Amino acid sequence: NAGVTQTPKFQVLKTGQSMTLQCAQDMNHNSMYWYRQDPGMGLRLIYYSASEGTTDKGEVPNGYNVSRLNKREFSLRLESAAPSQTSVYFCASSEGVGTPVHNEQFFGPGTRLTVL
Amino acid sequence: DQQVKQNSPSLSVQEGRISILNCDYTNSMFDYFLWYKKYPAEGPTFLISISSIKDKNEDGRFTVFLNKSAKHLSLHIVPSQPGDSAVYFCAASGGLQFYFGTGTSLTVIP
Repeated sequence: NAGVTQTPKFQVLKTGQSMTLQCAQDMNHNSMYWYRQDPGMGLRLIYYSASEGTTDKGEVPNGYNVSRLNKREFSLRLESAAPSQTSVYFCASSEGVGTPVHNEQFFGPGTRLTVL
Repeated sequence: DQQVKQNSPSLSVQEGRISILNCDYTNSMFDYFLWYKKYPAEGPTFLISISSIKDKNEDGRFTVFLNKSAKHLSLHIVPSQPGDSAVYFCAASGGLQFYFGTGTSLTVIP
């Protein structure tokens, strides 16, 4: 039981390049999330997927796209990377249904992205 | 605008003493609150939560207090241990979206 896995762990891009961050969970969770963490800013929600087949914007969606490939996988794509997207990206999942006890989020280890 | 605020970026406490981490929120629609702990180069891990129908929740050395009228919650760690040294994030939710504070870095001095 690996929990939430993310690939890659590190990535360096040049401005204008594109890339996809991958996330998978093996807990049969319905909801999945992408966050970015910047110094002094905490974690900010980029996009989330309440259930398979749905995606919604979070606080900071500009410059990103997402795909909920199936119940297990949720990818984040940067079409044209910018230096402002240099950050640590975390994927998370939760059961996402029922009472609040189901809404605890489990996080992956993160992807450290640098855009030059 | 930040809906969840942690005004203390850092806190140092002697081993064995109490650590108190504070968090304020602005949205009265939040009904579920959580604390996460984060070590460097790792993802946050869930620590403890509280529903808005309660004002206190305990789990071993960790207790979370919620004051809805003040829109304030706090995390008490008693006794503090060196292994508790980490960044602590509070988070709040009124549905599927979670809003996180900026974190408080706790250092427990042996």
